[in-house]
Amino acid sequence: DAGITQSPRHKVTETGTPVTLRCHQTENHRYMYWYRQDPGHGLRLIHYSYGVKDTDKGEVSDGYSVSRSKTEDFLLTLESATSSQTSVYFCAISESPAGVHEQYFGPGTRLTVT
Amino acid sequence: TQLLEQSPQFLSIQEGENLTVYCNSSSVFSSLQWYRQEPGEGPVLLVTVVTGGEVKKLKRLTFQFGDARKDSSLHITAAQPGDTGLYLCAGAVGSNYKLTFGKGTLLTVNP
Repeated sequence: DAGITQSPRHKVTETGTPVTLRCHQTENHRYMYWYRQDPGHGLRLIHYSYGVKDTDKGEVSDGYSVSRSKTEDFLLTLESATSSQTSVYFCAISESPAGVHEQYFGPGTRLTVT
Repeated sequence: TQLLEQSPQFLSIQEGENLTVYCNSSSVFSSLQWYRQEPGEGPVLLVTVVTGGEVKKLKRLTFQFGDARKDSSLHITAAQPGDTGLYLCAGAVGSNYKLTFGKGTLLTVNP
């Protein structure tokens, strides 16, 4: 298994509060991703990173920001949490040749916004 | 946006039966991956197929990539309760390092 951890694993927060989720890898992989998984929608890409300080938006980036100040850490911030952001969040990493992007996932963070 | 359609969405079978799940798109993929996800865990990579027509076997699981690299199938022989889970396909287009995921097939194998 790839060395990927996510913290916290579970969080309950109130609407309007900022929340930061952390993804930490020990594999020195270049690419890191944040997804959310919701019933009926599958896995949807929020943001991704292709190197330190290099990030870009995915398909559902509104209300989220990310930062990657070092290779091993990728932070996802919900600037002002809303109930629609209640979801399970997964981090993934990849270091595959172009066109063969095998991703390895963390265990997930279950976030509930009340 | 490339779409990956998976079918069936749900599948409930008895132990020992065979099954096939499908992953289809109108896009051409440079590679396609299959993942399995169990409740409360992240998806786990099962296999990657790259070449059109490629067939890969993983014990009782057989994966095939379509000749045109637009579709794939996963066949399970003699399913066991341990095969229960959500099966996801995901495709990469060209050198793009993002994956497009299907919504998954939720498989339940009853003892």
